[in-house]
Amino acid sequence: KQEVTQIPAALSVPEGENLVLNCSFTDSAIYNLQWFRQDPGKGLTSLLLIQSSQREQTSGRLNASLDKSSGRSTLYIAASQPGDSATYLCAVRGVTGANSKLTFGKGITLSVRP
Amino acid sequence: SAVISQKPSRDICQRGTSLTIQCQVDSQVTMMFWYRQQPGQSLTLIATANQGSEATYESGFVIDKFPISRPNLTFSTLTVSNMSPEDSSIYLCSASGKFNYGYTFGSGTRLTVV
Repeated sequence: KQEVTQIPAALSVPEGENLVLNCSFTDSAIYNLQWFRQDPGKGLTSLLLIQSSQREQTSGRLNASLDKSSGRSTLYIAASQPGDSATYLCAVRGVTGANSKLTFGKGITLSVRP
Repeated sequence: SAVISQKPSRDICQRGTSLTIQCQVDSQVTMMFWYRQQPGQSLTLIATANQGSEATYESGFVIDKFPISRPNLTFSTLTVSNMSPEDSSIYLCSASGKFNYGYTFGSGTRLTVV
């Protein structure tokens, strides 16, 4: 059964800092990995989707990498801003059976201090 | 990617009553899903909504409690039946195309049962 881990659960940084959010997964047989952002009490906003054949994806100040063989992904946020404060969720889509559904980590709650 | 309209955005309900949540997708999608997010927790998959047939429920979720409809490729409903305070959560619908597509989420329904 696929397990997705995100550590730490919470992170507080000063504005302007570059930061890295980590995600690890136990089963490397995945179709893709997706990073989401969730504001309190709201739905999920997709940030980046990385296919299993890709190594990274970039969107603005965000860059996500994928190392499928080692079961790791990182989300890099450049020049963080208070508006980046939210919970960031990593999710993987497996290839077969029960793992073919989306499996989520518990998320990292980021607070960017002005 | 698809855009999902989910309603209501929030509701406060009396115990013992039922609430139906609707999701409308702006394009035909292969798969639709319903998730629950309990306070402070990550997302848990309730069921896969199958077009024209009964939904596929995950372990711990039953049709009598969470009946789901999906009459066509763009619309689905989730009913939370005979509610108790333990059902207070955020409920989210999600949609995806083929396996190499990402997931899109609705804005969520914040349910409080009193």
